[in-house]
Amino acid sequence: GQSLEQPSEVTAVEGAIVQINCTYQTSGFYGLSWYQQHDGGAPTFLSYNGLDGLEETGRFSSFLSRSDSYGYLLLQELQMKDSASYFCAVRVPPGGKLIFGQGTELSVKP
Amino acid sequence: GAGVSQSPSNKVTEKGKDVELRCDPISGHTALYWYRQSLGQGLEFLIYFQGNSAPDKSGLPSDRFSAERTGGSVSTLTIQRTQQEDSAVYLCASRAETGELFFGEGSRLTVL
Repeated sequence: GQSLEQPSEVTAVEGAIVQINCTYQTSGFYGLSWYQQHDGGAPTFLSYNGLDGLEETGRFSSFLSRSDSYGYLLLQELQMKDSASYFCAVRVPPGGKLIFGQGTELSVKP
Repeated sequence: GAGVSQSPSNKVTEKGKDVELRCDPISGHTALYWYRQSLGQGLEFLIYFQGNSAPDKSGLPSDRFSAERTGGSVSTLTIQRTQQEDSAVYLCASRAETGELFFGEGSRLTVL
């Protein structure tokens, strides 16, 4: 089967740094993605890691270790608008369907 | 259109009725996904269409659920004999060449 594990909730203060971890057990793996979803909204793409290492996009970075079946999303200089749910997702064979984790609800406090 | 369009945005139906949910993907996107999201939960994979290949239906929860994609574009998700546990937001997404998924705003289904 396929499973992704991520914390259900994380709380941090404005200006801080937060890391959201994701571990996965899948039969095959093409890459790890991260999506953000605000309450009542559509999920939006944040980042993708197909190879080991760190990808940086502005205040957000994402890391992947394929040997550890582990990745994380790092959010720096947190802002109130970053309060949302964050989902890791894995593309798996055959065909490349995308399987999502249960999501991490991030609350940013003033 | 500019984004993925889903209709209806809200649907209230009675238990036992059939419903159809429609998705218009971004033009040119060859891959299309359907997911289901219950309140406060993750995205549950339902079905995946990729070009002319046979769809991956491995996530459909029962034979009451079916989906088709006509002409490689518009997709319809059909739920027959709806049950209360079918109540959820049904999300459609199409995939760009970069691999990024673009989601619609979803169809919220309530089964009374």
